[in-house]
Amino acid sequence: NAGVTQTPKFRILKIGQSMTLQCTQDMNHNYMYWYRQDPGMGLKLIYYSVGAGITDKGEVPNGYNVSRSTTEDFPLRLELAAPSQTSVYFCASRLRGLLVGTDTQYFGPGTRLTVL
Amino acid sequence: KNEVEQSPQNLTAQEGEFITINCSYSVGISALHWLQQHPGGGIVSLFMLSSGKKKHGRLIATINIQEKHSSLHITASHPRDSAVYICAVLYGGATNKLIFGTGTLLAVQP
Repeated sequence: NAGVTQTPKFRILKIGQSMTLQCTQDMNHNYMYWYRQDPGMGLKLIYYSVGAGITDKGEVPNGYNVSRSTTEDFPLRLELAAPSQTSVYFCASRLRGLLVGTDTQYFGPGTRLTVL
Repeated sequence: KNEVEQSPQNLTAQEGEFITINCSYSVGISALHWLQQHPGGGIVSLFMLSSGKKKHGRLIATINIQEKHSSLHITASHPRDSAVYICAVLYGGATNKLIFGTGTLLAVQP
């Protein structure tokens, strides 16, 4: 299994441009998440999905959109990029365990985005 | 005040030392993750625990739900243990979302 893959690894955008960060997992996990990591801060949840066709906002959704048309893919769309969106973005997936404390989140390698 | 607090923020140790990283949280949780992030690298889940203690190699994680506190211990530390260690708590019932601490940067010197 490749696990959770993300593309691109790095990207520089100009203010106002748009782009899509790709995330794919091959573990048939229901739950998928997008986080951003800013220096000195803990990861913040942007959006999450509990299955194909179902998405919901996290703590910091403004400026982003997601879709979940398949179990495998969970792309994150940035419209009208702003310098405040400069961050490292991590996608993660999880298969919920039968017992509390038995499931694990798997993280992608991250996308480092700079908006100038 | 952050809902998940880690201490210390930075830690430098000599190879072979016993290391403890602490995590305190203020919300009701169903479980707690310890994660490892190497510089410029991805994030790996080390442990997920909801009670008691778990051990994996030289790593030991404990949690006290009543006191809302968890510790990550590294025995016989090695330079390859140098990384950021992140505590994250699982909350939110069926949707199970994570709240992350800001991490502890560990440097183990040879």
